[in-house]
Amino acid sequence: GAVVSQHPSWVICKSGTSVKIECRSLDFQATTMFWYRQFPKQSLMLMATSNEGSKATYEQGVEKDKFLINHASLTLSTLTVTSAHPEDSSFYICSATGLAGELGYFGPGTRLLVL
Amino acid sequence: QKEVEQDPGPLSVPEGAIVSLNCTYSNSAFQYFMWYRQYSRKGPELLMYTYSSGNKEDGRFTAQVDKSSKYISLFIRDSQPSDSATYLCAMTRNSGNTPLVFGKGTRLSVIA
Repeated sequence: GAVVSQHPSWVICKSGTSVKIECRSLDFQATTMFWYRQFPKQSLMLMATSNEGSKATYEQGVEKDKFLINHASLTLSTLTVTSAHPEDSSFYICSATGLAGELGYFGPGTRLLVL
Repeated sequence: QKEVEQDPGPLSVPEGAIVSLNCTYSNSAFQYFMWYRQYSRKGPELLMYTYSSGNKEDGRFTAQVDKSSKYISLFIRDSQPSDSATYLCAMTRNSGNTPLVFGKGTRLSVIA
């Protein structure tokens, strides 16, 4: 199957700092990438959809100025959590859809802890 | 009514049992149906992917889709302790830039 990677796998940061999370499609070209957030024992919550070369579409209630998404190439999307606060601590997961119909492949997730 | 309903469990079965997991949905436009397995602190792993109605089998796993009833199922035969995880159903209208809609997930424990 198609492979999606994320980096870093976990990060601890101080409140007020910014954190960048990368999502890469390793063996296919991803036209669309999705960013999710997951709190303990809950399902995935869609944050935003990003298409290569265009602005991301954010779900209702997700602050676009706080969660900056860039999808600059067909293999890379980044999520930057700006001025992170403890309530932003969560598990962030990306998934990608490919040109050849690759659908529903997820990265391994990034665990963010804001102190 | 939520778009996708899934019983969160938890579901506990003895090793070797047949496990039946299911989801119902309300949007008749959904065409692509997936089942994911998620271990604690890991990303979801795609188990089964079905387009439209029908059955699909892969090893010990069988996925069924009944679009007329808006009901999908995942069967796990000869369940193993390593199958203990949360199982999420997901679906979408098309294979392009439409995001998946997830169920809440069912926590499964297979007891040795």
